[in-house]
Amino acid sequence: EVQLVESGGGLVKPGGSLRLSCAASGFTFTRNNLNWVRQSPGKGLEWVSSIGGTTEYISYADSVKGRFTISRDNAKNSLYLQMNSLRAEDTAIYYCAREFGFGRLCGGDCPFDSWGQGTLVTVSS
Amino acid sequence: QSALTQPAFVSGSPGQSITISCTGTSSDVGGYYLVSWYQRHPGKAPKLMLYDVDNRPSGVSYRFSGSKSGSTASLTISGLQSEDEADYYCASYTSTKTWVFGGGTKLTVL
Repeated sequence: EVQLVESGGGLVKPGGSLRLSCAASGFTFTRNNLNWVRQSPGKGLEWVSSIGGTTEYISYADSVKGRFTISRDNAKNSLYLQMNSLRAEDTAIYYCAREFGFGRLCGGDCPFDSWGQGTLVTVSS
Repeated sequence: QSALTQPAFVSGSPGQSITISCTGTSSDVGGYYLVSWYQRHPGKAPKLMLYDVDNRPSGVSYRFSGSKSGSTASLTISGLQSEDEADYYCASYTSTKTWVFGGGTKLTVL
């Protein structure tokens, strides 16, 4: 069974930093691209960032580009999101999500078939 | 990248069919056959219901179907059931190699 477990959320002041982690199990970690998706209070889902299975590509939403850094440690089956220069509008539940190709190769363009339960990040003074 | 446009609320009675639209542009929905739909019950993680416009993952009911015309994708749920009450989000791959979600639609089963 695929499992994704996020951690690292918490309360941080504007301008501060936080590092989120996502521990994965139940699948061959390097075969899947991974993503971070967030949901702010009262708002919809927002895609944040994506990373290839062997870090062959990385992409970011404009709203976090230059402030957030996605990475993965394939030896530890873990995904990370380093968040710097945090703003109030970054307050959200952050989910990690696995891409799955359903029989085709993925290049960041596959749907998200498995999601974690999320970790809450609150940016407030 | 602007969010895709979905109706905020949709409702239907048990047994009826409802359709949720998802409107984008030629840079996302209109340019790719890469639209997904997610169901989210309160406090739960999103669940993939449809991918690549009209494909159902294993385990998803046949009552869920999808289509696309131009820059508008649609999710149809037939034979509405109480457990279908949830928030639904569309998502599309984009020309800038990113993903964009819709604002979400709250489905109420009357």
